[in-house]
Amino acid sequence: QVQLVQSGAEVKKPGASVKVSCKASGYSFTNFGISWVRQAPGQGLEWMGWLSAYNGHTNYAQKLQGRVIVTTDTSTSTAYMELRSLRSDDTAVYYCARKGGKYGSQTFDIWGQGTMVTVSS
Amino acid sequence: QSVLTQPPSASGTPGQRVTISCSGSSSNIGSNTVNWYQQLPGAAPKLLIYNTNQRPSGVPDRFSGSKSGTSASLAISGLQSEDEADYYCAAWDDSLIGVVFGGGTKLTVL
Repeated sequence: QVQLVQSGAEVKKPGASVKVSCKASGYSFTNFGISWVRQAPGQGLEWMGWLSAYNGHTNYAQKLQGRVIVTTDTSTSTAYMELRSLRSDDTAVYYCARKGGKYGSQTFDIWGQGTMVTVSS
Repeated sequence: QSVLTQPPSASGTPGQRVTISCSGSSSNIGSNTVNWYQQLPGAAPKLLIYNTNQRPSGVPDRFSGSKSGTSASLAISGLQSEDEADYYCAAWDDSLIGVVFGGGTKLTVL
C-alpha cells in the first residue's frame, strides 16, 4: 500500500543539526512532491517546505529559510529534511507528506507517522 | 499566531450538526482553494476536504466544506463519537508563497 515511513525519534542539543528521513513505497516516487510539516507539543500544524521529487525544485517557509534543507534520493525513494542551528522551540513532531496527488497540487494526501525531535541541553 | 484563524474549540452531541470556521485574507482563502485535515488523538493528520468542498474517497458525506470571500467552513452532520479530533484548515498564501494552516479546532462530542 501507499505509505511514508519516517526515521525514529531524535534528541539534539541547541545549535546542532538534525536530519529526518521519509521512505516512500507503493507509488512512483518521482511523480509527486514531498512536503514537511511540524507540530510543536500541544500546538498546531506548521508548513516547513516542500520538494519536487521529479526535478528537485524546492520551496521553503520564509520563517525557516536558511535553516532547513529538503533533499531526496530517488534511488531509494527517500526524502530527507535537515534542520540546522536547532533551538528549543524547534522541539516538535516532524511529518512528511505526499504532495500533489490526484486531489490537487496543494494537498497532502499521504502522511508519515511523524518523528519526534527534542532539542534540549 | 496562525495566518488562518479558527476557533480553538467546538462541541456537539451525537447526531447534531456542527460547523467550524476558518478566517483568512485575500492572499490566501480569498484567492485559493481550501483544504481541511482531521487529526485524531495521537495520529498523523488526514486529508478530509480538498479543493474547498471535495471529499477524498473514503471520507463520509457527513463532512462538507464551503467558502465565501475570505472565510471557509467545515460542516459535520450526524455527529459521531469518532469525529472527536482536531481539525485544521489550510490554503496557499500568495504573499507568503507557501502553505498556511489555521491554529486548529478541537472538536468534542459530548
